Amino acid sequence: DQQVKQNSPSLSVQEGRISILNCDYTNSMFDYFLWYKKYPAEGPTFLISISSIKDKNEDGRFTVFLNKSAKHLSLHIVPSQPGDSAVYFCAASMSAGNMLTFGGGTRLMVKP
Amino acid sequence: EPEVTQTPSHQVTQMGQEVILRCVPISNHLYFYWYRQILGQKVEFLVSFYNNEISEKSEIFDDQFSVERPDGSNFTLKIRSTKLEDSAMYFCASSEAGIRDRGYNEQFFGPGTRLTVL
Repeated sequence: DQQVKQNSPSLSVQEGRISILNCDYTNSMFDYFLWYKKYPAEGPTFLISISSIKDKNEDGRFTVFLNKSAKHLSLHIVPSQPGDSAVYFCAASMSAGNMLTFGGGTRLMVKP
Repeated sequence: EPEVTQTPSHQVTQMGQEVILRCVPISNHLYFYWYRQILGQKVEFLVSFYNNEISEKSEIFDDQFSVERPDGSNFTLKIRSTKLEDSAMYFCASSEAGIRDRGYNEQFFGPGTRLTVL
């Protein structure tokens, strides 16, 4: 099942710079998207979401961009902090149900 | 801050045995979910539960699996006869609303139960 893909397994960024995490999806029925952060031995923590009626949603240091025509979304973290080091998952759902389909995750490392 | 809790944190069982994984969702949430993550693989949806019944389930959620909300606070996942391939992290999640109700579906996850089937 490759409906949601995160093609970069890892990303390394310097503290204070921007982190950009990418996610692609293939199912055009997806209309609600979420980003989660996960530390080892913990459950995913909700970060930010976006509905398909928007192309941008911002919450503090986190901004999610959605490009529906390209079936692509991205998460921007500015400025990046060492505490942001974790695995980031994008997830998608359809308005017909509440099931989340997850990407494989990107491990972000923010270096001090 | 309210959070989803899960017990036990780690469960070891013999193949063929029944296991029950327990979760306490966030108190004002109405939708409950189970997901699992096999080591090295994606987080996968198992089942969603609303208004005391299953609202969606995946192909993984076969007759060996069942869910129950036995009282006003607990939400359980039962695996009747465990197989080696059931070894995974099992995450419970809850959400205040469903996407059809409010247009959003922010699901909050518990810390997980690591199930090891020997």
